[in-house]
Amino acid sequence: QKEVEQDPGPLSVPEGAIVSLNCTYSNSAFQYFMWYRQYSRKGPELLMYTYSSGNKEDGRFTAQVDKSSKYISLFIRDSQPSDSATYLCAMTSLSANAGGTSYGKLTFGQGTILTVHP
Amino acid sequence: NAGVTQTPKFRILKIGQSMTLQCAQDMNHNYMYWYRQDPGMGLKLIYYSVGAGITDKGEVPNGYNVSRSTTEDFPLRLELAAPSQTSVYFCASNTGKGQPQHFGDGTRLSIL
Repeated sequence: QKEVEQDPGPLSVPEGAIVSLNCTYSNSAFQYFMWYRQYSRKGPELLMYTYSSGNKEDGRFTAQVDKSSKYISLFIRDSQPSDSATYLCAMTSLSANAGGTSYGKLTFGQGTILTVHP
Repeated sequence: NAGVTQTPKFRILKIGQSMTLQCAQDMNHNYMYWYRQDPGMGLKLIYYSVGAGITDKGEVPNGYNVSRSTTEDFPLRLELAAPSQTSVYFCASNTGKGQPQHFGDGTRLSIL
């Protein structure tokens, strides 16, 4: 079982729709949760960063974390064609590491491809 | 504000050639990372560094080497390029554990 599962889509919605993107995870130690947006031929760009459970809003974007269900979501209101991109969830804990040095390994979902059509 | 800068943006190599992918950041971040991204496979960590002179292997280090002589620079070296190393390579940096990573725009590498 993967540590982080994300529906790859693709997801296609009309302009103005509410979009819901989701990730589930299995590691209960994760404390920090992020959403990245990646346009074609560009690097991932940080959209939202949250700590522990709860909601965080930034303009048209709302990030939601439910640690009891090991489930995080990103909602996009009034979606625009410029929101068309791949969305990646990511998460970490202070003790996560991949090598001999503890550095806070970031675990990514596979990404969801979103298209918003006019 | 440049952030994380990667060069080159594109490169085609022949099998067996070697090259260095450059990464520089101007945010004074101690932690730096190299990932590769293959279609449908997400981001895989190759190497990381928690400060100048300190590097460690990630999930897929075979065929790669890194060095970190300064805080700003974290080059990735490919020796004896193989077709399996065809990918998009991303460099990232952050201030430490639990903090979000900031990414460059990647280097697209094809090995033919």
